[in-house]
Amino acid sequence: ETGVTQTPRHLVMGMTNKKSLKCEQHLGHNAMYWYKQSAKKPLELMFVYNFKEQTENNSVPSRFSPECPNSSHLFLHLHTLQPEDSALYLCASSQEPGWDTEAFFGQGTRLTVV
Amino acid sequence: QKEVEQDPGPLSVPEGAIVSLNCTYSNSAFQYFMWYRQYSRKGPELLMYTYSSGNKEDGRFTAQVDKSSKYISLFIRDSQPSDSATYLCAMRTQAGTALIFGKGTTLSVSS
Repeated sequence: ETGVTQTPRHLVMGMTNKKSLKCEQHLGHNAMYWYKQSAKKPLELMFVYNFKEQTENNSVPSRFSPECPNSSHLFLHLHTLQPEDSALYLCASSQEPGWDTEAFFGQGTRLTVV
Repeated sequence: QKEVEQDPGPLSVPEGAIVSLNCTYSNSAFQYFMWYRQYSRKGPELLMYTYSSGNKEDGRFTAQVDKSSKYISLFIRDSQPSDSATYLCAMRTQAGTALIFGKGTTLSVSS
């Protein structure tokens, strides 16, 4: 596989569930990102990782917990979510944390919280 | 005022038309400007990238940045049905890592 792969593609979870989203990049990039895309809203940056270290947390509620075990993998652990957290969660990667090099997005995980 | 404003559309044009997509912004410190294309059920893909002011052309696509007016545009010539997608403008400052996105404009090109 090449590019940025996200699993699962779709996820339905109850508010008391715990689930995890997975992202894997096969591009040799050093920076990885989580974005949230809600209907009728701009893409919102959630977290930035550079060489496995979190460099940015954009005031994200603690019910979202990221994990970056290595430069190729990124997880987003979810617990006690709210219905308003339903959205498309996009993972992206780039060579360096700045965006003057091309960033590649995965296809996203469509999350529905019921 | 939102940092980046983009008309969500939808915008419907016939095949072969010239399409103009626009964004305005309020932060004069933005230096990097990008256009992403997002097909339905896919992640965004980088289409055009411009640093500071000026024009950039790539095939049927032209990106323009007017920093004095805080206005960026994407022109699509000879539009094709395959251009039907949502187009997102994005920008960031010199030092920033976070891209600030517009809401996206949905374009439909009919054959």
